[in-house]
Amino acid sequence: GAGVSQSPSNKVTEKGKDVELRCDPISGHTALYWYRQSLGQGLEFLIYFQGNSAPDKSGLPSDRFSAERTGGSVSTLTIQRTQQEDSAVYLCASSLPGGQGHTQYFGPGTRLTVL
Amino acid sequence: GQSLEQPSEVTAVEGAIVQINCTYQTSGFYGLSWYQQHDGGAPTFLSYNGLDGLEETGRFSSFLSRSDSYGYLLLQELQMKDSASYFCAVRVSWGKLQFGAGTQVVVTP
Repeated sequence: GAGVSQSPSNKVTEKGKDVELRCDPISGHTALYWYRQSLGQGLEFLIYFQGNSAPDKSGLPSDRFSAERTGGSVSTLTIQRTQQEDSAVYLCASSLPGGQGHTQYFGPGTRLTVL
Repeated sequence: GQSLEQPSEVTAVEGAIVQINCTYQTSGFYGLSWYQQHDGGAPTFLSYNGLDGLEETGRFSSFLSRSDSYGYLLLQELQMKDSASYFCAVRVSWGKLQFGAGTQVVVTP
């Protein structure tokens, strides 16, 4: 079946603008994750959704960042009033629930550049 | 604080064996995963250790010692296509992976 998809693949924006990044998880995967990866760095956890449970937002770096997951499927990560330090690749992943959360399937990412 | 330590780069020749070590200090521990990422690509899952010992998947093996807060990924019979970054990741809670900074493996002819 289809893998995790993300859109757009690239986004260039001006400082202060809002951006929305989209993620379509693998069908049947109830767990969805957002990460951020700066150049040459590891992945930084942002947020985790599991079914209808309250999301784990512990990794969101500031209140400018928010995420939603509608209908238990598609997710949108919103960054308000973007700053240059927000420039990074934003990766989405999905997994089967519970004990399978260690096996995450990643999308190709959205490269965000804030000018 | 929480930390995962792994070497930044390893270079080896085709056919060789490479071991990437990962030591961790985290507030929670449910297991250790390994992911591979080629330049410009998405991370892909390689291996997982929830219990102590060795897990073997083809040319790749992973080891965990929870008492030592230590694990490693072993890459055998290195091929040029194995040139990539390798990340260890600790499952610190049910839904959260904490990743190391990655080890770049360079395979030379």
